[in-house]
Amino acid sequence: DQQVKQNSPSLSVQEGRISILNCDYTNSMFDYFLWYKKYPAEGPTFLISISSIKDKNEDGRFTVFLNKSAKHLSLHIVPSQPGDSAVYFCAASAGFNKFYFGSGTKLNVKP
Amino acid sequence: DTGVSQNPRHKITKRGQNVTFRCDPISEHNRLYWYRQTLGQGPEFLTYFQNEAQLEKSRLLSDRFSAERPKGSFSTLEIQRTEQGDSAMYLCASRHNRDREFFGPGTRLTVL
Repeated sequence: DQQVKQNSPSLSVQEGRISILNCDYTNSMFDYFLWYKKYPAEGPTFLISISSIKDKNEDGRFTVFLNKSAKHLSLHIVPSQPGDSAVYFCAASAGFNKFYFGSGTKLNVKP
Repeated sequence: DTGVSQNPRHKITKRGQNVTFRCDPISEHNRLYWYRQTLGQGPEFLTYFQNEAQLEKSRLLSDRFSAERPKGSFSTLEIQRTEQGDSAMYLCASRHNRDREFFGPGTRLTVL
């Protein structure tokens, strides 16, 4: 029962352009969402989060949008840089106990 | 800031053997999580502790798996009678209450 889905296994973007990574969830009880970035041979590192009381959260080049009615969130990276190339996971939680992760999207930013 | 550490980083074992992994969380973090990640998938929740109490276990955690967190500090994850399907990356994460999780580098298990 995959409660968090990332349907795009990979995404390739030119440096300087916008990267948009998408995530869908099925559990309407989820009230907190995070994005993690993962480089090879390292554990995931936190990138940005959003709670269900908001529809947008911004941190520098990274913005997360939440559409509760569609059960959809997206991560925008503007402008994309080659160092952003990594696997991105979205994760969701109900009540901040345990998190459910998507399967990840591998982003490749081409110079 | 020493971060979350995990040992060993890699473990190769033969089917049927027992293995134990260790996780040292960030010192002031009261919550500790274990996840399993297989190729092409995201981390899957296994279990978590609040201090020394194990509060939840996933149904993925068969009776061959056991986790402990004595004294609410480091944690161990033991797999008995390993099977080839246990081959995966085992990730540990810690956090303080409702703060974000910090992940360790993981232990990669290969069962031959």
